[in-house]
Amino acid sequence: GAVVSQHPSRVICKSGTSVKIECRSLDFQATTMFWYRQFPKQSLMLMATSNEGSKATYEQGVEKDKFLINHASLTLSTLTVTSAHPEDSSFYICSAWGDSGANVLTFGAGSRLTVL
Amino acid sequence: AQSVTQPDIHITVSEGASLELRCNYSYGATPYLFWYVQSPGQGLQLLLKYFSGDTLVQGIKGFEAEFKRSQSSFNLRKPSVHWSDAAEYFCAVGAGGSQGNLIFGKGTKLSVKP
Repeated sequence: GAVVSQHPSRVICKSGTSVKIECRSLDFQATTMFWYRQFPKQSLMLMATSNEGSKATYEQGVEKDKFLINHASLTLSTLTVTSAHPEDSSFYICSAWGDSGANVLTFGAGSRLTVL
Repeated sequence: AQSVTQPDIHITVSEGASLELRCNYSYGATPYLFWYVQSPGQGLQLLLKYFSGDTLVQGIKGFEAEFKRSQSSFNLRKPSVHWSDAAEYFCAVGAGGSQGNLIFGKGTKLSVKP
């Protein structure tokens, strides 16, 4: 079945540093990837949609200069949280949509970011 | 605008009892509907989906859901709950009729009593 790998699963960083999270589709080509953010005990909120080879489309209220998304290949998208602050601490989840044949969205296991 | 409402924040059931998790959606046309389960600190696993056709859909782990257009509902059911079913459950609708861009409800946390 379709598998999406997200790395790292947990990351702790100091305030002001940048953190990169990777999302890989392991056995299919992901034409579209989605990045979600989940606050504790809350639902997932879509941050942005990225299509391979083009600029990401950000949801209203999401700072594109702070959350840099790159989808340079059909199997990899990255989310970089720039100049991270404690309020950026959250659970980030990616999902991928592509030619897996399963015709469903496949989610990664998520990345827990803690900014000290 | 599309939206998803899960009225129950937290439900506790006894192991072996039946379960129904409620989900109501707002969407003008026939929606794409999904139920996902999330264990603590984990990503989401698809339980089942409805795109069209038979309004009663079967999913994994013994779950089923029924699409009722008249009630704008897509409730998740399981006849006998197992302790391993304790998790967070999310209902979602495909935004703009998309199967990829999903709008999630706030989730229902399921606890199972022994």
